[in-house]
Amino acid sequence: GAGVSQSPSNKVTEKGKDVELRCDPISGHTALYWYRQRLGQGLEFLIYFQGNSAPDKSGLPSDRFSAERTGESVSTLTIQRTQQEDSAVYLCASSQLAARSGNTIYFGEGSWLTVV
Amino acid sequence: AQKVTQAQTEISVVEKEDVTLDCVYETRDTTYYLFWYKQPPSGELVFLIRRNSFDEQNEISGRYSWNFQKSTSSFNFTITASQVVDSAVYFCALSDLNSGNTPLVFGKGTRLSVIA
Repeated sequence: GAGVSQSPSNKVTEKGKDVELRCDPISGHTALYWYRQRLGQGLEFLIYFQGNSAPDKSGLPSDRFSAERTGESVSTLTIQRTQQEDSAVYLCASSQLAARSGNTIYFGEGSWLTVV
Repeated sequence: AQKVTQAQTEISVVEKEDVTLDCVYETRDTTYYLFWYKQPPSGELVFLIRRNSFDEQNEISGRYSWNFQKSTSSFNFTITASQVVDSAVYFCALSDLNSGNTPLVFGKGTRLSVIA
């Protein structure tokens, strides 16, 4: 697609429920990233996929968080047993090649998650 | 370790004033990339500029200009003749080749409010 697409745009869920957030990167982009942004805060790195390499999960805050990516396309971020502190915007981004090589990362509009 | 510091949390200016957003970075690498992103109220991060560590030329794009100084590890962003539409949170970010696993490290952002 033309840009990074994320769904849902907004999600309100009850504490303890599981949620899935979806990201469709820009076509042809091999690298995909998930970031979290709490209200009024900066961006917190969660996970990074690069081609068929093992993902870099170093930013996942707990084992309740996991992410999958099918080949070089759609990714799903799953949060199990949600807690109120999980409330945030979850931003997905993609780049043509690895960001460490200086490739520009393009972001989606984010999925706003509210845990009540 | 990588680090990006945006010391200004919030700035408020009157329309048509010039404003400079500061960014100071830390990295052990000699090859690295610096970015600025704009996040308007809609939430999507909009890419503004990418600069590699070997290019210290200042860049101007319309009302936007960037001053990269390796001697002070700074990559400051100036908006000339600010407009209300410039109101947003601006993030500076760093990507390097070898330090750490995070593909793009962000500062905490500077919230710019331009008042008519």
